[in-house]
Amino acid sequence: ETGVTQTPRHLVMGMTNKKSLKCEQHLGHNAMYWYKQSAKKPLELMFVYSLEERVENNSVPSRFSPECPNSSHLFLHLHTLQPEDSALYLCASSQDWMAGPGPYEQYFGPGTRLTVT
Amino acid sequence: GQQLNQSPQSMFIQEGEDVSMNCTSSSIFNTWLWYKQDPGEGPVLLIALYKAGELTSNGRLTAQFGITRKDSFLNISASIPSDVGIYFCAGSVNNTDKLIFGTGTRLQVFP
Repeated sequence: ETGVTQTPRHLVMGMTNKKSLKCEQHLGHNAMYWYKQSAKKPLELMFVYSLEERVENNSVPSRFSPECPNSSHLFLHLHTLQPEDSALYLCASSQDWMAGPGPYEQYFGPGTRLTVT
Repeated sequence: GQQLNQSPQSMFIQEGEDVSMNCTSSSIFNTWLWYKQDPGEGPVLLIALYKAGELTSNGRLTAQFGITRKDSFLNISASIPSDVGIYFCAGSVNNTDKLIFGTGTRLQVFP
């Protein structure tokens, strides 16, 4: 409904695994975001891509590696994660202010529930 | 860094009651957004506010952009069971800035 899809919806992985999360937006936006949502914490912004360039990396550990091949797709590659990385990972998209008129509200996907064992 | 304080943290109300929640900031924001998150889903945008004093409605929901630019309010009238969820406020200083999210208000509605 929101125009932003995420796969998989649930993922269980061991600490030595490598996996990827995928996000796709069908809203014609040109900025995409990865957020981490842990219990009882505000949403934490991880990465921002604008016009396919990474414009923000909020001190995220290198075991999280984003990729934005085009304005509609965003990936988060995961490797050697820790149990404390278990959380809901949310993708969002918006118009970017540098690319033209707004509105600039962010629209979220349903999230990937990640459990690291 | 900037923080948004959202209150109350949780509310337990009876169906049909009106609900009020608010969000306050230590600094001035020029955009306020209100989202609702259902269990196991991502946040869904409810209302966007861009002008101080602005009052905007979306069905039974009404949100206001505080005159001081440091707060915003969300009201839900005549609550129904599907209003259950977590309500988040989010703000930004300007359109070029990232959104800062509040900690959420968890709403439970009893029939």
